Amino acid sequence: SQTIHQWPATLVQPVGSPLSLECTVEGTSNPNLYWYRQAAGRGLQLLFYSVGIGQISSEVPQNLSASRPQDRQFILSSKKLLLSDSGFYLCAWSRTGNSPLHFGNGTRLTVT
Amino acid sequence: KQEVTQIPAALSVPEGENLVLNCSFTDSAIYNLQWFRQDPGKGLTSLLLIQSSQREQTSGRLNASLDKSSGRSTLYIAASQPGDSATYLCAVRRWSGGGADGLTFGKGTHLIIQP
Repeated sequence: SQTIHQWPATLVQPVGSPLSLECTVEGTSNPNLYWYRQAAGRGLQLLFYSVGIGQISSEVPQNLSASRPQDRQFILSSKKLLLSDSGFYLCAWSRTGNSPLHFGNGTRLTVT
Repeated sequence: KQEVTQIPAALSVPEGENLVLNCSFTDSAIYNLQWFRQDPGKGLTSLLLIQSSQREQTSGRLNASLDKSSGRSTLYIAASQPGDSATYLCAVRRWSGGGADGLTFGKGTHLIIQP
């Protein structure tokens, strides 16, 4: 069966510090991968998605970037965090564009 | 731009009742619609996925319907239980020519089932 792992579960970082959140999927190959952010009262916002290694599409311009160095690894990064980057970050995968999305347990990021 | 609205934002009902959660979307050109549940501080769990060509899907006590032309979906929960308490989110995937676009989510309905 397929599983998705996100870490860390919680993170507190000062403004201006770098960020690296990692997500890995097991039990499948060539998944579609996604990064979402969930902010209080604002619902889930798609940040990035990837259909293959090195292929990243950005949905919104922002202070974040994503990379896919391996088939089942998706990384969310920032060089300098802003207060507005605080939120709940969720990684997800799907087998194809027409199949269900499966989410990790999320990372709670607080920028202070 | 696709917008997804969920009504009501919050709902509290006694155990055993049947209930309906509503989801509406502004652009009917969708690929599929998915219902999720989210427990506090956790990720999302997929409940049901309805393809654009389908009218409904059922899983246990859950039944989801889709009326694409009117831009509406409902999630019906039969014989509700306290364990059903969670936030329920609706999401639509827009039609894509070949990419893997993600979903547009509603803000969810926060459901409390009173024992």
